[in-house]
Amino acid sequence: DGGITQSPKYLFRKEGQNVTLSCEQNLNHDAMYWYRQDPGQGLRLIYYSQIVNDFQKGDIAEGYSVSREKKESFPLTVTSAQKNPTAFYLCASSMAPTGIGYTFGSGTRLTVV
Amino acid sequence: GDSVTQMEGPVTLSEEAFLTINCTYTATGYPSLFWYVQYPGEGLQLLLKATKADDKGSNKGFEATYRKETTSFHLEKGSVQVSDSAVYFCALRGNYGQNFVFGPGTRLSVLP
Repeated sequence: DGGITQSPKYLFRKEGQNVTLSCEQNLNHDAMYWYRQDPGQGLRLIYYSQIVNDFQKGDIAEGYSVSREKKESFPLTVTSAQKNPTAFYLCASSMAPTGIGYTFGSGTRLTVV
Repeated sequence: GDSVTQMEGPVTLSEEAFLTINCTYTATGYPSLFWYVQYPGEGLQLLLKATKADDKGSNKGFEATYRKETTSFHLEKGSVQVSDSAVYFCALRGNYGQNFVFGPGTRLSVLP
């Protein structure tokens, strides 16, 4: 079955360490997205990519980095520069540029201690 | 810029009660409107959508009508079940395929 896989589901890191969250899709979607979700808030866009080897900053890109070397993969690195990294991170993908077929992964909960 | 406002939760209802979750939006042009549902520990699933004024989206007993005159897209269900307990997000996307704008979400708890 086609879908988006985020791994791991739960991730713990010490403060000051970089950590990379995985997102893989087999939907043949061109576009991929990373969102951050905090309690009582909507989803906020971190980065998005409409095509391989290209990506753009979203609303809250500071302290994060991404790469898009393959169509299927869009990993997110939470760097030590991110002041408050503990959150639920959601990856999504869709056809580009129409946005048709927008699909979310099941998320990764990152806790920094 | 574009924005979405939802009624604050949490909303607690008894099983078989009527549900309304209000959603209003601010956007230029003619956005598409969506309701997404998030069950505990999971990602978001599309519940329903409407792409133009007066369209009604419906799915699993939920309905919402795109009202351009009041810039609203309220979610309704005639008889909720315990399994409907989740967080509901209203969202819009501009008419040129831009990224989504999400509301803050409304948590619904349905008691047996």
